[in-house]
Amino acid sequence: GAVVSQHPSRVICKSGTSVKIECRSLDFQATTMFWYRQFPKQSLMLMATSNEGSKATYEQGVEKDKFLINHASLTLSTLTVTSAHPEDSSFYICSARILDNQPQHFGDGTRLSIL
Amino acid sequence: AQKITQTQPGMFVQEKEAVTLDCTYDTSDPSYGLFWYKQPSSGEMIFLIYQGSYDQQNATEGRYSLNFQKARKSANLVISASQLGDSAMYFCAMSPATGNQFYFGTGTSLTVIP
Repeated sequence: GAVVSQHPSRVICKSGTSVKIECRSLDFQATTMFWYRQFPKQSLMLMATSNEGSKATYEQGVEKDKFLINHASLTLSTLTVTSAHPEDSSFYICSARILDNQPQHFGDGTRLSIL
Repeated sequence: AQKITQTQPGMFVQEKEAVTLDCTYDTSDPSYGLFWYKQPSSGEMIFLIYQGSYDQQNATEGRYSLNFQKARKSANLVISASQLGDSAMYFCAMSPATGNQFYFGTGTSLTVIP
């Protein structure tokens, strides 16, 4: 149980393109979803916390107009990287959990490459 | 302040041997959870094991066990009978009982040698 699906797994696109990444909890309802960014050989960096039906809470230094997060239902959250540039190239990974103090269950991540 | 500390950036272990990955944490919350995740080179984060701060016994999941020492604020992961497929990054994490905070350590890269 507790499966999280994330897609696409790999995106290569030109600079200036907007890219949408979907995160779905397949067999449970996730009140809270999280979006992380990970640089090579580093730990996960939390970008934002997303609660269903409300605005996402962004971490300091993360541009909310650049990284749009929509948590439209208890099973779906989306991250849109608007007007992506090469410096946005990274590994983005989402997670979801049912209750506080419970494990986060992760999607398989999205490797974003901006040319 | 650093919440989770993993002091071993890289570890090597011989196949079939046991290995301990260190994790210490810092919190003033009375109730919290501790987690270990495995991240292979393919990138996915795989949940391994969970320990609640009030659990009396150390958590075990197959070949994984968590050596929880509350007074020392440590939550080391022990992998027994290492396999080649255990080679990966391992992250320790902590979450207070309430709220959305979830703190990750910097990770330990484990390499299993045949």
